[in-house]
Amino acid sequence: GAVVSQHPSWVICKSGTSVKIECRSLDFQATTMFWYRQFPKQSLMLMATSNEGSKATYEQGVEKDKFLINHASLTLSTLTVTSAHPEDSSFYICSARVLNQPQHFGDGTRLSIL
Amino acid sequence: AQSVTQLDSQVPVFEEAPVELRCNYSSSVSVYLFWYVQYPNQGLQLLLKYLSGSTLVKGINGFEAEFNKSQTSFHLRKPSVHISDTAEYFCAVSSQGAQKLVFGQGTRLTINP
Repeated sequence: GAVVSQHPSWVICKSGTSVKIECRSLDFQATTMFWYRQFPKQSLMLMATSNEGSKATYEQGVEKDKFLINHASLTLSTLTVTSAHPEDSSFYICSARVLNQPQHFGDGTRLSIL
Repeated sequence: AQSVTQLDSQVPVFEEAPVELRCNYSSSVSVYLFWYVQYPNQGLQLLLKYLSGSTLVKGINGFEAEFNKSQTSFHLRKPSVHISDTAEYFCAVSSQGAQKLVFGQGTRLTINP
């Protein structure tokens, strides 16, 4: 149980395009979803926290206009990287949780901007 | 605010040897503690968690961890490792009632045959 699916797993696109990443909780309804960014050989950096039906809360230093988060339902959250540039290349991971239960993580999306 | 320090960035061990991955945390309030494992190009999988109760916590894949409040530590142990345990291990903390996890820097466990 507690499966989180993230799609796509790998995406390569040209500089200036926008990329959407989906995060779905497959067998539970997630009250909260989280988006992380991970640089090579580093830890996870929390980008934002989103609760279904409300605006995401972004961490300090994360551009909300750059990284658009939508949490339209209890099983789906999306992260859109707008006008992506090479410095946005990274591994993006989502997680989801129900109330006070531990977070369950997706398998991540490797984003490469050329 | 909480912080987590994983004292070893890399730990090489031989197969079937015991291993301990160290984790210390800092917090002014009561905490929940977690260990996650990350295999290459994948997300994180929960190994075990301490929420309350017994300080010795058993998890999946033969791992266990002990919560030591006086030393503010939550070290991860396994008595006999396997090649398949090669991965990155993250210790994480959250304050009770909080949503966010704070992660340590990670420890890369490498198992040599």
